[in-house]
Order: sequence, then structure tokens, then C-alpha cells
Amino acid sequence: SQTIHQWPATLVQPVGSPLSLECTVEGTSNPNLYWYRQAAGRGLQLLFYSVGIGQISSEVPQNLSASRPQDRQFILSSKKLLLSDSGFYLCARGRTNTEAFFGQGTRLTVV
Amino acid sequence: DQQVKQNSPSLSVQEGRISILNCDYTNSMFDYFLWYKKYPAEGPTFLISISSIKDKNEDGRFTVFLNKSAKHLSLHIVPSQPGDSAVYFCAATNTGNQFYFGTGTSLTVIP
Repeated sequence: SQTIHQWPATLVQPVGSPLSLECTVEGTSNPNLYWYRQAAGRGLQLLFYSVGIGQISSEVPQNLSASRPQDRQFILSSKKLLLSDSGFYLCARGRTNTEAFFGQGTRLTVV
Repeated sequence: DQQVKQNSPSLSVQEGRISILNCDYTNSMFDYFLWYKKYPAEGPTFLISISSIKDKNEDGRFTVFLNKSAKHLSLHIVPSQPGDSAVYFCAATNTGNQFYFGTGTSLTVIP
């Protein structure tokens, strides 16, 4: 099984509120995990990737952070959301060394 | 800095004709390239890939061509079908730790 669980599916949050998006994966242990964002009119932007517990690499400095408290859990957080944080957030895992497998995504609207 | 670029945001093609989606990249260290298909409010799904040691890979109606000297790849869909209407992302990776995506091309196949 290569299932990725991502929730919630949609979220509306006020500016300045905190954020926590959770992603859990099934399948092989120690997967590479990723957070991507697709903003309106833009492509999939790699935000964070993790090759193991507690190991987070940030691609783009911004208002977000990520954590990996367990092997199959990847969390995207923010202390204070900005309007520009609105977008479609996708969690992904490396299915093989050369392929990423995506969850269904979370539509975040910051109002 | 966008390392993978899709310069055509949209493409319309008649059913039965060929669809050609293009992608350019700047990083010569990329050694594996992928195409993903995405429907609205869903995560991208893997379509086809190609290693940098090849210049062509074919899977049914889908063929990906790679021109390393030009740092260019393309996806050919023939014959195009209405169900192919979606956003197509090309992606590139080096060893599979990080995947970089283009901005996507929205394909509409007209019946």
C-alpha cells in the first residue's frame, strides 16, 4: 500500500491564526516526504522535504515550518497565517528514488 | 528561481489529434524527468517518466521525448481524448531527493 492520508481537505482560516496540516503515509518505512504548494496561477512549489525523522530541509524561506515527529508523519505549520499562504497544499512521498506519489491535497483559504 | 519551466499555460486540441506539451529546465544535474496529470482538487498522478540516459520513452498513447543538449522535454499524447483534459506538470529530479515542478499546462481536448 502506498496510501497518503492528508487532512483536512479544505480549510478556511483568518489572517493571523495558526495552521497545522497533517500528513501520514502507509507503506515502506523511512520514506522521503514532501510538502508542496500550488498557488493560483503557479506551479507546484516545493516547500519542505524530509529524508527521515527530525530531518527537514526548507526550500523556500517563508511563514511556514515543517516537522516530522514520526517516520510516517509529516506536519506543516504556521504560527500566523498570511493572505499569501492561501493555496493548495500537497503532501507527497518518494515512491521510488525517481517518483513522487501525492496525497489528495488541502485547499487553504486565508481570509 | 524556476528550474523547470512550462511556458504554455494552456493548450486546446481537437479530439483525435496530437497534443504536444513542452517543458524546459535549467539544471544540468537533473537526471530523471516525469510528467504528472492533475485534475482540479486532486493530487497529481504520475503519468510517464524518462531517464537522462534515454531520449524517448513510450507508454501507450503517451510518449516523452528528451533533448538533453537543449534541456528540453516534451509529452506527446496521440490520439488525444476528452478524458485527457487536465493540467499537466513536468518535473525533474536529481537522485530523487527533491522534485522540481513546472507551472503546469492546462490541456483541453475538444470533442
